[in-house]
Amino acid sequence: SAVISQKPSRDICQRGTSLTIQCQVDSQVTMMFWYRQQPGQSLTLIATANQGSEATYESGFVIDKFPISRPNLTFSTLTVSNMSPEDSSIYLCSGGREGSEQYFGPGTRLTVT
Amino acid sequence: DAKTTQPTSMDCAEGRAANLPCNHSTISGNEYVYWYRQIHSQGPQYIIHGLKNNETNEMASLIITEDRKSSTLILPHATLRDTAVYYCIVTPSNTGKLIFGQGTTLQVKP
Repeated sequence: SAVISQKPSRDICQRGTSLTIQCQVDSQVTMMFWYRQQPGQSLTLIATANQGSEATYESGFVIDKFPISRPNLTFSTLTVSNMSPEDSSIYLCSGGREGSEQYFGPGTRLTVT
Repeated sequence: DAKTTQPTSMDCAEGRAANLPCNHSTISGNEYVYWYRQIHSQGPQYIIHGLKNNETNEMASLIITEDRKSSTLILPHATLRDTAVYYCIVTPSNTGKLIFGQGTTLQVKP
């Protein structure tokens, strides 16, 4: 199994600003992903974080809004840029090995005012 | 879009078995059935997964029909702490990507 931590656990931000969320895995994983969970909704996959290269984004998500980095196998960041109240959500990262289950972090609860 | 259909909600009495159904009639030969659950205000938790054989671990059992078009997650002795949203997901095992549907909200009652 893998233990995944995220920082910050929550934040309140003003519109127009940006927030960077960090995700750390306690063991080497081949895959890392970022998800968004809007209030009362299920999880939506934002992108696959690729080590040392550009992330692969799902339909409806773009790099300019959600830049992602993954400098090594155990660490990734997601930035929510130029925030608006519609970006208020829980952001979660996951990690795991190819062909195996994914483990999720506790999430970052973001409120944009 | 999610490739699975689940009931929106279910109730179960504490101590009884909880049987959560999932339909995945368009599943491909290389796709696995994964089950996760999300307890309120927490990240999703992996439960179990399978390809075509029935699987059992310390948390649950997974029964997959012979034609693989549906499956059932069984929690043998549900407790109040099993109250959660349960997600059935089909995905090729090598992608790691999980496309979540709306899941089943299981309420375990005393």
